[in-house]
Amino acid sequence: NAGVTQTPKFQVLKTGQSMTLQCAQDMNHNSMYWYRQDPGMGLRLIYYSASEGTTDKGEVPNGYNVSRLNKREFSLRLESAAPSQTSVYFCASSAPGTLGNYGYTFGSGTRLTVV
Amino acid sequence: KQEVTQIPAALSVPEGENLVLNCSFTDSAIYNLQWFRQDPGKGLTSLLLIQSSQREQTSGRLNASLDKSSGRSTLYIAASQPGDSATYLCVAGGGSQGNLIFGKGTKLSVKP
Repeated sequence: NAGVTQTPKFQVLKTGQSMTLQCAQDMNHNSMYWYRQDPGMGLRLIYYSASEGTTDKGEVPNGYNVSRLNKREFSLRLESAAPSQTSVYFCASSAPGTLGNYGYTFGSGTRLTVV
Repeated sequence: KQEVTQIPAALSVPEGENLVLNCSFTDSAIYNLQWFRQDPGKGLTSLLLIQSSQREQTSGRLNASLDKSSGRSTLYIAASQPGDSATYLCVAGGGSQGNLIFGKGTKLSVKP
């Protein structure tokens, strides 16, 4: 099925460990995003990539790095995981159209627990 | 700074009722307003996207309206069904890439 695919779906890390969350989309979208969702906070933007080869910080970038490997793939890396990074992470993509018609498609999420 | 507020935070209704979910935003300079549905443990499913130049969008039993001047959007669900039970998120799209501001959602429960 066309859409946004995230791996893994679940992950438990120990404090200080590193890991990379993978995201791929097959809709030929230019823009891709990483969000985190915490109870009572709503979704917050971590990083985004407006187009292949570019990345920019969002609202909560500290502790994360990203790579836009190609048009399809956008990965999120935690270099040294902290308990505060326990969250559900969502990848999304969009295809800009006229007048800012940015319809977004989300992946099913990665549930990360840092102990 | 854009803020999106959704009221109520939770809503429980009997099957068959028509209902309205409310969303307000503080900055009227938005490009679009999108409503999503999120089921427990799942991702976000887009329901309706309203461009800033539009007043409303309809899809099946769903109708979303947008009033930029008052900073409000509503999602109307007709003849609610138990399968409509989910959290509904209102999202305001701003003037630059990545500038999506999410509300905290309304958790809807439709009882048979």
